Amino acid sequence: DTGVSQDPRHKITKRGQNVTFRCDPISEHNRLYWYRQTLGQGPEFLTYFQNEAQLEKSRLLSDRFSAERPKGSFSTLEIQRTEQGDSAMYLCASSPRSSYNEQFFGPGTRLTVL
Amino acid sequence: AQSVTQLDSQVPVFEEAPVELRCNYSSSVSVYLFWYVQYPNQGLQLLLKYLSGSTLVESINGFEAEFNKSQTSFHLRKPSVHISDTAEYFCAVRKDSGGYQKVTFGTGTKLQVIP
Repeated sequence: DTGVSQDPRHKITKRGQNVTFRCDPISEHNRLYWYRQTLGQGPEFLTYFQNEAQLEKSRLLSDRFSAERPKGSFSTLEIQRTEQGDSAMYLCASSPRSSYNEQFFGPGTRLTVL
Repeated sequence: AQSVTQLDSQVPVFEEAPVELRCNYSSSVSVYLFWYVQYPNQGLQLLLKYLSGSTLVESINGFEAEFNKSQTSFHLRKPSVHISDTAEYFCAVRKDSGGYQKVTFGTGTKLQVIP
């Protein structure tokens, strides 16, 4: 399978714990995006990378959130001191240079904060 | 900033009946428009897009959408739905300008096809 992959698919954690999610984009896609999706809502933009550079961050991305893409390939999204309001589906997407208007989405990581 | 409104959160329809999923957008500049589909337990997939040219765009599985600038709409239609069309459909918009522009998604419409 050469699509976008995300790990883990599900994460249950206690309030106050730190969690880290991984996204592997489609090979050679130079743009990578993180979104958050809560029940009854569409995906909300969090941040995006072009190669290893993080070029835009949403105001939704509080200082407890950090994302990296150190080698311009996979990316990680870390949430520190999780809160119940962080419970959501975290989506990763990537797009190639040839078609920035199409984003290829992964299956998402569902986070539940107890 | 642009925004997208999908007024219908759920649309039940009988198999082989026609369907229209409504999408309206708001933007002060020209936009590109998209429909994404999310099948159960799968990631979002691009269904169709309007960038320029013909205002009527089609997907490979029989859906079509028409860009109507005067009504700021991009409704999705299919003349005859199949059980396999059961999914959640998201309308999305981004500014038509150079460089990276954020994509804004609507809240989604769940299409339930009834046998």
